[in-house]
Amino acid sequence: GQQLNQSPQSMFIQEGEDVSMNCTSSSIFNTWLWYKQDPGEGPVLLIALYKAGELTSNGRLTAQFGITRKDSFLNISASIPSDVGIYFCAGQIFNNAGNMLTFGGGTRLMVKP
Amino acid sequence: NAGVTQTPKFQVLKTGQSMTLQCAQDMNHEYMSWYRQDPGMGLRLIHYSVGAGITDQGEVPNGYNVSRSTTEDFPLRLLSAAPSQTSVYFCASRQTGAGANVLTFGAGSRLTVL
Repeated sequence: GQQLNQSPQSMFIQEGEDVSMNCTSSSIFNTWLWYKQDPGEGPVLLIALYKAGELTSNGRLTAQFGITRKDSFLNISASIPSDVGIYFCAGQIFNNAGNMLTFGGGTRLMVKP
Repeated sequence: NAGVTQTPKFQVLKTGQSMTLQCAQDMNHEYMSWYRQDPGMGLRLIHYSVGAGITDQGEVPNGYNVSRSTTEDFPLRLLSAAPSQTSVYFCASRQTGAGANVLTFGAGSRLTVL
């Protein structure tokens, strides 16, 4: 099946620093999604991207849908302790089987106060 | 609205035992799905359903059964648990149709098979 390569696998940063993570694929996607998972909880949607080249912000978060439709990045500016968690990218393709979602392996973010 | 509710949150099984993970949603979502989460592997789709009476296999269906008798409920059954099924399981649902692609996840069920 399709695979998403998400990097880095983990990050340990100082509070106030900016964060960048990305996902790449050998296949194209119609939609890119970024989720955050807090400890002991299920993933929650942060940003959805629907068009190649689209750049979308949500507070301190900014994500872009790559021009080739095979990649996406997520930036977090001025990190704070509550940014701690696992961030997942997900690519979605629309086909005869419906909307199929493929997840990256996740980026575990740790923030030192 | 409660959203997506999963039970139990934690379960320990012995190899060969059977059990059912429950999932219920109160958002009238047609699409429901089960994922398992393992370290470094993200979320992998086990089974999904696009409506009552319709189920299909995902990426890793072996060892799991599902049924969808109502719109609200989508239980996941392990008929004979194996240690390889130790994982965190997430149920998720969404509306169907073009653009209706935002999955809402439950809080997860952590399963340990000894």
